[in-house]
Amino acid sequence: KAGVTQTPRYLIKTRGQQVTLSCSPISGHRSVSWYQQTPGQGLQFLFEYFSETQRNKGNFPGRFSGRQFSNSRSEMNVSTLELGDSALYLCASSPDSYEQYFGPGTRLTVT
Amino acid sequence: AQSVTQLGSHVSVSEGALVLLRCNYSSSVPPYLFWYVQYPNQGLQLLLKYTSAATLVKGINGFEAEFKKSETSFHLTKPSAHMSDAAEYFCAVSDRRTGNQFYFGTGTSLTVIP
Repeated sequence: KAGVTQTPRYLIKTRGQQVTLSCSPISGHRSVSWYQQTPGQGLQFLFEYFSETQRNKGNFPGRFSGRQFSNSRSEMNVSTLELGDSALYLCASSPDSYEQYFGPGTRLTVT
Repeated sequence: AQSVTQLGSHVSVSEGALVLLRCNYSSSVPPYLFWYVQYPNQGLQLLLKYTSAATLVKGINGFEAEFKKSETSFHLTKPSAHMSDAAEYFCAVSDRRTGNQFYFGTGTSLTVIP
């Protein structure tokens, strides 16, 4: 099976702009989770979607949002970008058996 | 709430020496436990998992971990380090009650000295 894919792999944006990141889970996986990874804060959970519904949410401001489509693909959106949003954004898919498989991540740089 | 503590943000071992990366968890119910490895500019790769079967879990690349409920620990070991083991290692716990919400430790960077 193909692994989790994330697009784009690298992105440079300016403060105040918005960005959309995409994640395609492993075929058959219905759960998609998103994480933000930074050197200072480590891995922080953003949210999880299952069958197009947000099932869990981390402690991030409302500028961070996501959605999941009927084919389980997921997108996350960050509006009004801040310098502190620069990070590696990781997507993980799960067959709902309590283990997660991660994609390679999208490296977002905000200037 | 769940939490994971990884003791030692940096660990250095000589090639061929024992690797021991420490992980302690805090949970009110027996959790599921995982170790992941991350190589530079890559995502996380699952090394092994504990889901309440055998307490000694064997993973990929010669790694294993032992779940010790009395010590609330899930330390990762490998008998003989290889240069290719140099990476960042993350311990994670998931709460059975909330399914896929994972809580990660802060990571341990492993350096292997030739």
